[in-house]
Formats: sequence, C-alpha cells, structure tokens
Amino acid sequence: GIQVEQSPPDLILQEGANSTLRCNFSDSVNNLQWFHQNPWGQLINLFYIPSGTKQNGRLSATTVATERYSLLYISSSQTTDSGVYFCAVDNPGAQKLVFGQGTRLTINP
Amino acid sequence: DAGVIQSPRHEVTEMGQEVTLRCKPISGHDYLFWYRQTMMRGLELLIYFNNNVPIDDSGMPEDRFSAKMPNASFSTLKIQPSEPRDSAVYFCASSLFGFGYTFGSGTRLTVV
Repeated sequence: GIQVEQSPPDLILQEGANSTLRCNFSDSVNNLQWFHQNPWGQLINLFYIPSGTKQNGRLSATTVATERYSLLYISSSQTTDSGVYFCAVDNPGAQKLVFGQGTRLTINP
Repeated sequence: DAGVIQSPRHEVTEMGQEVTLRCKPISGHDYLFWYRQTMMRGLELLIYFNNNVPIDDSGMPEDRFSAKMPNASFSTLKIQPSEPRDSAVYFCASSLFGFGYTFGSGTRLTVV
C-alpha cells in the first residue's frame, strides 16, 4: 500500500516563529489532506490539497503531486498551534486515507 | 451542520464486556469511516462504508470487532468481548464522494 512519511517528527519553536512541515508519499494520490490534532485530541481538517497551493490565514499548503510531496507552512506561530499535524493520502480508486505518523509541534510562549 | 457526532466520548469497561460505539455522519455524506488511534500504531483504518454498504473491512483486527450501518445517518462499531489491548481512541469520519474527510471528536475506550 501507499507509504506516507512526515518530517520532522518533533518541532519545538518560540511563539512568532515560522515553520515548514513536510509529507512525502510513495505513489500517485487522489486525495491529500492535512489535519491538526489539538491537545484535546480533536482532528481538525486544515486543507484538502491533492495538488497546488492553498492559504488560510497564517497557514498555507503546497502539494507537488508529480514529485510526491506536500508542505505545510505555519507563519507567526501561536501557542494554540501546538499539537500534532498529520498528512493523509489515498490512492486513486482506494477511497481510504492512510495517515503519516505526524509531526508534533510545540510552540512555547 | 453539527458535524460528525460520536457517542459516548469516554467509555470504561471491564474485560469481556460488550462495547458499542456510535456515529452519526454529516447529512448527505456518502462515505463513512472508522479509525482507531493508538500510540504504537497511530491512526489506522478499520472499516469504511459507501452508501451504507461495507466496502473494505480489511483493517478490522479480528472477529471480535463488527460494524454496521443500518441507514445513512447512523453507524455502530461493536467489540465483543472486549480486551485491554482494545483500549484506544476510536474515530468516525464521513465524506462526500470520498474527498475532504470530517472527523468526529472520538470515543476514548479503556478496557480494564
């Protein structure tokens, strides 16, 4: 099945810093999503982005499908950005998301 | 829309008991997914439905687990009998045409 690798596994930053999270995947995809799991365990959908670039406030994401990677950018980090960020993908026709192991982001005040 | 609704939020049960987790998907969504999250294995897909029909249950760990979707607005995941290694957070998610998943808040199951 498709493999998903996220890096770095852990990231600790000061409030106000910028960060880039990476997701590599092993095959062509039909669906790619970024999620944020907050400290209360809720999985929040950030972006549906199988290709191209999207922005939502301080967050943006870019997927280069031909090179099989996606990047999530967080600018001017806030403590509320802390949590685990997951990338999830599925193969065309598979209709089931496979999750990476996540990047744990800690933003210190 | 109220989003994907799961119940209960927390469940503590004794080994050997039957456990039933419930999920109400977003109205109009045609796909429903059950995931399990543990520290060791991360987020793994257990089973998914399309238009109430189970499509892929290859992730269901063993016969003690079963899932049903009797109608478009309700699904259950049942564990009988439960074991301590079933302790995890169970998530339900729904989507339209298989894109843009929305997850529920999860059920934290503890089997003692």
